[in-house]
Amino acid sequence: DTAVSQTPKYLVTQMGNDKSIKCEQNLGHDTMYWYKQDSKKFLKIMFSYNNKELIINETVPNRFSPKSPDKAHLNLHINSLELGDSAVYFCASSPPSQYLNTEAFFGQGTRLTVV
Amino acid sequence: AQSVTQPDIHITVSEGASLELRCNYSYGATPYLFWYVQSPGQGLQLLLKYFSGDTLVQGIKGFEAEFKRSQSSFNLRKPSVHWSDAAEYFCAVGYTGGGNKLTFGTGTQLKVEL
Repeated sequence: DTAVSQTPKYLVTQMGNDKSIKCEQNLGHDTMYWYKQDSKKFLKIMFSYNNKELIINETVPNRFSPKSPDKAHLNLHINSLELGDSAVYFCASSPPSQYLNTEAFFGQGTRLTVV
Repeated sequence: AQSVTQPDIHITVSEGASLELRCNYSYGATPYLFWYVQSPGQGLQLLLKYFSGDTLVQGIKGFEAEFKRSQSSFNLRKPSVHWSDAAEYFCAVGYTGGGNKLTFGTGTQLKVEL
């Protein structure tokens, strides 16, 4: 049973296109995230949702729009793709915050290549 | 703002040798500290975490880490490395009120020589 699953695993697309990445978690977690890992392997948070509400929105171009239809799903839609958007995008989730901070469980990543 | 430094970009060790990966953080209060491992083409797997209490924490796969507040460090150790440990290792920090946001270091790539 996959805990955090992302689709697709690989995505190759042309500049200017619009694409979506889907994420689902079956862990019953309240909080979900999108992280971006660049070509140098640097990981940076993009968004965080808690119970379908946006709680973290780092400095991300507004071409990126997350959507959380329910607390088990967090999708990422990207408009007008640019070469610099090429990266690995990771979805993650965290359990309910009885603790002030908990670890994140990561999906396998989506490797996006913009050509 | 909090930050994490992993001074070693690459480390090569022989199989069976001991390993220490360095991690330093910058944060005013007590941080929440994590080590993750990423195998090629894979997601991130949590090795261990420190929230409070005993400063020496044990993780999976025989790894341990020690929180040293005076040095702002959270170094990862393993007494005997296996070839399957070759991967990228990330240290991360979270903090109170951070909305569960993790700030990652730049990673250390571990190579294991047979």
